[in-house]
Amino acid sequence: NAGVTQTPKFRVLKTGQSMTLLCAQDMNHEYMYWYRQDPGMGLRLIHYSVGEGTTAKGEVPDGYNVSRLKKQNFLLGLESAAPSQTSVYFCASSYSPDSYYGYTFGSGTRLTVV
Amino acid sequence: TQLLEQSPQFLSIQEGENLTVYCNSSSVFSSLQWYRQEPGEGPVLLVTVVTGGEVKKLKRLTFQFGDARKDSSLHITAAQPGDTGLYLCAGGSGYSTLTFGKGTMLLVSP
Repeated sequence: NAGVTQTPKFRVLKTGQSMTLLCAQDMNHEYMYWYRQDPGMGLRLIHYSVGEGTTAKGEVPDGYNVSRLKKQNFLLGLESAAPSQTSVYFCASSYSPDSYYGYTFGSGTRLTVV
Repeated sequence: TQLLEQSPQFLSIQEGENLTVYCNSSSVFSSLQWYRQEPGEGPVLLVTVVTGGEVKKLKRLTFQFGDARKDSSLHITAAQPGDTGLYLCAGGSGYSTLTFGKGTMLLVSP
């Protein structure tokens, strides 16, 4: 039961570098999300997607871009990393935005920007 | 903007004790979910409640949705070290994404 798979699990970037976080789900979910989790701040929504080829901004979208070229994949890009983007990033998916079955989360990517 | 306030923020108890954590809002939600997140992992759904006044039990965990659908509580009976984790509530309101609380960190010591 793969569920939601995130890669990589850990990454250290230098300020100004770029990278892409990969998220894959095998549950045929329409909705996919990217969150960041910081101490004392809870989960904050960065971007989300309501289906293949569509994306929308969440609460904290600045400095990030996303793409959903295939239904099962949702990519999060950082074009020019900043120390403020040091965080744990979680991808999630669901049947609908307030699905009774909830969101299925990946195990996270711990990103440090130095 | 809908907000969910969770209390307490942190709770440290001994094995066998009972506890209750709260999730409150000034907004009405159509559903309320509780998740548990263990260190190094993503949140995992425990329960969804959708009816005002609804009570659901999951072994030693009891979840209640307020009559006005603005608040919820999670009660754990005879806590065990395996209950340690971050408990998150999340409110649903139809077609928008879930609103998450900041969580209650629970530490149960043997």
